[in-house]
This record gives sequence, C-alpha cells and structure tokens, in this order.
Amino acid sequence: EDQVTQSPEALRLQEGESSSLNCSYTVSGLRGLFWYRQDPGKGPEFLFTLYSAGEEKEKERLKATLTKKESFLHITAPKPEDSATYLCAVQAPSGGSYIPTFGRGTSLIVHP
Amino acid sequence: DSGVTQTPKHLITATGQRVTLRCSPRSGDLSVYWYQQSLDQGLQFLIQYYNGEERAKGNILERFSAQQFPDLHSELNLSSLELGDSALYFCASSVGGGQGTGELFFGEGSRLTVL
Repeated sequence: EDQVTQSPEALRLQEGESSSLNCSYTVSGLRGLFWYRQDPGKGPEFLFTLYSAGEEKEKERLKATLTKKESFLHITAPKPEDSATYLCAVQAPSGGSYIPTFGRGTSLIVHP
Repeated sequence: DSGVTQTPKHLITATGQRVTLRCSPRSGDLSVYWYQQSLDQGLQFLIQYYNGEERAKGNILERFSAQQFPDLHSELNLSSLELGDSALYFCASSVGGGQGTGELFFGEGSRLTVL
C-alpha cells in the first residue's frame, strides 16, 4: 500500500521554465513531510520540512507548500544545476517510532 | 558533506556470500537508519537503531541483520546474497529517536553488486 505518490515520474524543463512537482500522501497522524534532493550516485540531501497544512518554506528557486493531502515543490526559473531527483517523504508511525517513508521521486532535467 | 560516513563505497561479490556495510553517524546523532534503494523499488526502509537499541523494523529480510555499537556506529550484515540484493544501501542519522524529530542526514551510500 503506497503511502506516498509523486508525480510526474520525470520532468524536462527549459532553463527559466517554472513548474511544480506533486507529492500526495495517505497517512494519518502526519508528523512531518520532507523534501530531499538526490544527485546521481549520491545520498539524498535535505531541503525542507513541513508540519501543518498551509505551511510554506522557500530556498532560492524552490518553494514547498503543504495541504492536508498533498505537497507541492514549486521551481521558479530553474537552472541546469537544479537537475536532480526530488524525493518526498512522510513521517509515519512504525511501532514505537516515526519512520520517514519515501516516494519514488521525480527526476528533473533542466536544459540550458 | 552530511557528516555521515559509509564504507565501503562499492562492493562486488558473488551469490551466497556475506558482506558487512559500515556507517558512522553525524557527531551527536543517536539514531541510525538503514535504507535500500533499487531502481524498481525506490528508497525502502530496513531498520532503525536508537542509542544502541533496535527501535523500528521495516521490510528487512531475515538474511539481513544490523546492530549499533556503544560508539554509535552501525553495521548492516547481508548474508546468503542473491542477485536481487544488488542495490544502493544508505545509512542516515538523526538527533532524535524518530518521534517526529526532524530530518535525516544521509551518507553517500554503499553500492552492492551481486554477481
């Protein structure tokens, strides 16, 4: 049972062409939704944490938003160096702990 | 640099063999998480340790085991290896015990190839 679904699977943009990535989730008792960036052959790198609906976080060209059922990662005027896989994770209960469960990611390629 | 160190970076071995992957968490972090990443499955949670004790278990096979030592480093042991075990294995650490206490910091991963 998938708890986290990301779309699209892959996205190609021209430099400067803004777009949004989607992460929908079906968990109860959400204890945080996380966005990570992963470059090929590297470990995921933390970007944002969102805890409650209506919350927004920004970092350079990236802006993350959260509703009760989904999160968006908006990319404004992307550059080629923004090319990476973007992973969404929700912190869900697992026994006595809360374990981040990851989506399969959106592979973003930005062409110059 | 996340501060999480994993060794080895690459490992090639044969079916039926056993390997050990090692992880040193960030200074001050008490929790260690192990994840497996393959092309068809994405990042799958295996197991979490907090301050030396197992805290949570995911879809970890019985052929796999892990432990966290008093100095907080962790090892993931994979035995009776099969072709399907070929994947990237990531270790991550966090300050807290997984009670919704924030983000994970990932190492660079250990790429295991089983031939």
